[in-house]
Amino acid sequence: EPEVTQTPSHQVTQMGQEVILRCVPISNHLYFYWYRQILGQKVEFLVSFYNNEISEKSEIFDDQFSVERPDGSNFTLKIRSTKLEDSAMYFCASSPDSLGGEQYFGPGTRLTVT
Amino acid sequence: AQKVTQAQTEISVVEKEDVTLDCVYETRDTTYYLFWYKQPPSGELVFLIRRNSFDEQNEISGRYSWNFQKSTSSFNFTITASQVVDSAVYFCALSGRLGGGYNKLIFGAGTRLAVHP
Repeated sequence: EPEVTQTPSHQVTQMGQEVILRCVPISNHLYFYWYRQILGQKVEFLVSFYNNEISEKSEIFDDQFSVERPDGSNFTLKIRSTKLEDSAMYFCASSPDSLGGEQYFGPGTRLTVT
Repeated sequence: AQKVTQAQTEISVVEKEDVTLDCVYETRDTTYYLFWYKQPPSGELVFLIRRNSFDEQNEISGRYSWNFQKSTSSFNFTITASQVVDSAVYFCALSGRLGGGYNKLIFGAGTRLAVHP
């Protein structure tokens, strides 16, 4: 069964460093998302991406964040200058359609900023 | 505004008990979608069910059942004869056009279910 994959599973970085989290969505899906979950809290929407552009972003997704689909398979989330409060689990998801379509989540990348 | 409330933070049951996880949502959308996801201790998010706002039929899948009631804005989830493997955090989520499109999922805070042998 096709699945969303994410690398790395765990990333440790120092405050102020740039990180890139990588995702490979399900191949025939058109809509891509990033969510984050601070430890013990709820899952929060960051950004959605369709047709090579951002379709929606949350207040969390400020200028420090960017997303890219550099080729036909990868979908990346970049955090330019990490802060301690960026420590969280980051989930990538993909969906075949936008009309309330089921979103398939990857296993997540745990980002720890020290 | 769109909002999902899961008032039960933690529930603890003994195996074979039935348990219901509550979900109450708020939206001004007339067309919206509701979801349940399971997050086991390993951390991934596992899709369980999707319901659209026009389909109030209850759904049963094995030991799982869902009760959608628009009149009370609720989408409750019942596990019958719970098992230790059901121990997880369960999230209810909402998606609707007023959220800026159908894209994003708005999650509740989750309910941690512990099933003891």
